Amino acid sequence: RKEVEQDPGPFNVPEGATVAFNCTYSNSASQSFFWYRQDCRKEPKLLMSVYSSGNEDGRFTAQLNRASQYISLLIRDSKLSDSATYLCAVNMGGAGAQKLVFGQGTRLTINP
Amino acid sequence: ETGVTQTPRHLVMGMTNKKSLKCEQHLGHNAMYWYKQSAKKPLELMFVYSLEERVENNSVPSRFSPECPNSSHLFLHLHTLQPEDSALYLCASSQDMGNSYNEQFFGPGTRLTVL
Repeated sequence: RKEVEQDPGPFNVPEGATVAFNCTYSNSASQSFFWYRQDCRKEPKLLMSVYSSGNEDGRFTAQLNRASQYISLLIRDSKLSDSATYLCAVNMGGAGAQKLVFGQGTRLTINP
Repeated sequence: ETGVTQTPRHLVMGMTNKKSLKCEQHLGHNAMYWYKQSAKKPLELMFVYSLEERVENNSVPSRFSPECPNSSHLFLHLHTLQPEDSALYLCASSQDMGNSYNEQFFGPGTRLTVL
């Protein structure tokens, strides 16, 4: 089993739709969780950290389910500019310098 | 704009060449990372440096040799590479504050092609 798994997609959704991604992880001792966004031919950039209590940033909501070992990302009222690859990342190390394991990424295209 | 720079941005090398990738961070961070991103594979952590000490070597072949002379600079020395080493090599940095939620900032990457 892969350490971190994502549905690679592609997801093609119309502008204004709501879209959700899940990401599962295998190591129950994982400490921290993240969603990164990567545009074509660009470097990954942090979109959101995912906290145990869940967190929201505008149209984006991230959830963590430790019992089932998955994290999720919900995008509401999607915009054309949301088209990108979304990478989940799990910190397999402790505090301090991280040991991030990334999923394969989910490719999202928002259509006008 | 990112505070992490990488040079060169593109590199083509033969299997017998020796080359080096350079990364510099201007963010005052104390942890730096090398990642490899190949087509259709997840981003893979290669090396982690914290306070200029290597704290992780993720089973990387010895033909990749990292060097961290100070907290702002990170190098990846390459020698006798194979065509399957062709990939995007990304550098990242973070501030190690004893907090597992430190954000990593990535550089733009070096696109490496091994002939």
